[in-house]
Amino acid sequence: EAGVVQSPRYKIIEKKQPVAFWCNPISGHNTLYWYLQNLGQGPELLIRYENEEAVDDSQLPKDRFSAERLKGVDSTLKIQPAELGDSAVYLCASSPQRDTDTQYFGPGTRLTVL
Amino acid sequence: GESVGLHLPTLSVQEGDNSIINCAYSNSASDYFIWYKQESGKGPQFIIDIRSNMDKRQGQRVTVLLNKTVKHLSLQIAATQPGDSAVYFCAENINTDKLIFGTGTRLQVFP
Repeated sequence: EAGVVQSPRYKIIEKKQPVAFWCNPISGHNTLYWYLQNLGQGPELLIRYENEEAVDDSQLPKDRFSAERLKGVDSTLKIQPAELGDSAVYLCASSPQRDTDTQYFGPGTRLTVL
Repeated sequence: GESVGLHLPTLSVQEGDNSIINCAYSNSASDYFIWYKQESGKGPQFIIDIRSNMDKRQGQRVTVLLNKTVKHLSLQIAATQPGDSAVYFCAENINTDKLIFGTGTRLQVFP
């Protein structure tokens, strides 16, 4: 079974530029998560989707961050404009359904903002 | 800050020895706990989980112990191997889908 796929794996941009990350969850997984992970720390949830609906986006900085999961499968996370403090790893995870707790993580996208 | 995060607690063990990684969780209402392993450049990988109605669960070479009285979780790895070298995170779930990750512990295995 293929795991969670993320692209790009690495991204370097200058501050104030936009950036987008893409995630393809495990086939059949209805729940999709975006996490932010700073160096040496555990992942922190940004947004959770149940199918195409964002059911928890309380930790998403909505002034510059946006996300979508239009058809309930793939998802895109966007930052516009990026700031120096956004440098981190952005992880996508999926789980089969809301009542299933095990989340499976992708490899992440390492963002560096210069 | 980022500089503080770089100084992860580190456990160094010799290959073949047993490892014990500890975690203190914060919320007494948490009812589900997971251990993840994260190798450099990769996402967290599920190792083992335990629900609050249990105090011990065993997997292949790994055992998780849960002490709800003192809100403590531990991961035991038997016969530690070089491939076990990674950062280990515990995570708690409070009857929602939101996982709260603890501070990671870096496990270093030396020959």
